[in-house]
Amino acid sequence: DTGVSQNPRHKITKRGQNVTFRCDPISEHNRLYWYRQTLGQGPEFLTYFQNEAQLEKSRLLSDRFSAERPKGSFSTLEIQRTEQGDSAMYLCASSRSSVRTSTTGELFFGEGSRLTVL
Amino acid sequence: KQEVTQIPAALSVPEGENLVLNCSFTDSAIYNLQWFRQDPGKGLTSLLLIQSSQREQTSGRLNASLDKSSGRSTLYIAASQPGDSATYLCAVFDAGGTSYGKLTFGQGTILTVHP
Repeated sequence: DTGVSQNPRHKITKRGQNVTFRCDPISEHNRLYWYRQTLGQGPEFLTYFQNEAQLEKSRLLSDRFSAERPKGSFSTLEIQRTEQGDSAMYLCASSRSSVRTSTTGELFFGEGSRLTVL
Repeated sequence: KQEVTQIPAALSVPEGENLVLNCSFTDSAIYNLQWFRQDPGKGLTSLLLIQSSQREQTSGRLNASLDKSSGRSTLYIAASQPGDSATYLCAVFDAGGTSYGKLTFGQGTILTVHP
């Protein structure tokens, strides 16, 4: 399977615990994105990486959230001290983009990681 | 700030009907527009990508059009089938401002095709 892979698919945790999600993008894609989706809503942008550089973060990404892409390949999204409001589907996407023009090609999404905070 | 609106929010049709889903966006400075399909509890599947210089794209029974100046796109589904039942999401990739990484989504249209 050469698509975007996300793990774990489901995570149930108690409020106050830390959780980490992993995303493995399509191998030749240099851009990696994180989105959050709550029930009945469209996905909301959280952050994106061009190779290993984190180029933009949404205001939705509070200081309890941190994302890394250390070698420009896989990425992790960590949520510290989880709150019930963090319950959502966390989606990862990747694309092949031009650094020179800052344009991007088609985005391909993974199956998502569903977080439930009790 | 870019805002994307999809109409209708939900649509129920009998099998075999042709249908149109609508998407509008407030800022016409976009690089591209992408239509996705999402099944319940699943991730997003890309259906069609239209670059800002293009007017339409076709894939099988799907045809998407883009009118950038008026901030509108439509997704046309021909001869609908029960397997087409899903949520359809429209998203635009902004070219303006300082953001080059943000794909802004609409809230989606929930499509039900009944036999």
